[in-house]
Amino acid sequence: QQPVQSPQAVILREGEDAVINCSSSKALYSVHWYRQKHGEAPVFLMILLKGGEQKGHEKISASFNEKKQQSSLYLTASQLSYSGTYFCGTEWPRNSGNTPLVFGKGTRLSVIA
Amino acid sequence: DADVTQTPRNRITKTGKRIMLECSQTKGHDRMYWYRQDPGLGLRLIYYSFDVKDINKGEISDGYSVSRQAQAKFSLSLESAIPNQTALYFCATSDFRQGMNTGELFFGEGSRLTVL
Repeated sequence: QQPVQSPQAVILREGEDAVINCSSSKALYSVHWYRQKHGEAPVFLMILLKGGEQKGHEKISASFNEKKQQSSLYLTASQLSYSGTYFCGTEWPRNSGNTPLVFGKGTRLSVIA
Repeated sequence: DADVTQTPRNRITKTGKRIMLECSQTKGHDRMYWYRQDPGLGLRLIYYSFDVKDINKGEISDGYSVSRQAQAKFSLSLESAIPNQTALYFCATSDFRQGMNTGELFFGEGSRLTVL
């Protein structure tokens, strides 16, 4: 089951902040975040593990709420280079090991001058 | 040179033809994946392999088959291509440590397939 991302698309002016959410109907083991620029392959941003940890990557950070089965990506003081489609990928525990990543449909972020 | 290489990068073919997309990696990772990307649908998992002897179906495996020839090579085949298999296909690899999460996915540059 694909995780659900919201919003589907967002337009920002440089310097504005944004939040992208990723929700799962099942208990999560980890959440990955990736960014894909037009015509390129997705590129890894960060991994969050169960335990409610928060991670950061430059001015991009994320949180993981295990109880709510969701993760949020925070983009602070957005730059033109942040434009692209953001995907969350979720991993669930199973007895024989974890599952492969299942990705959401993506959130298209456009930053304008 | 890229760590994850896909060939061909672009391919146009006709309905009913057999097509193979190849993926090779120099990361030394055991885990390899094939994803399909369609506009608005995100990245959907076709097949995955956690080691050379392990092959598993993903959420959209119908109409596809795979072969893991070696740790470094993972091929995707369309036995009889149809137009709704027109898409961008990505191969990816990852590390994994027992008892821990799947590591970062490294993607190839993608193979754009058009089925007429």
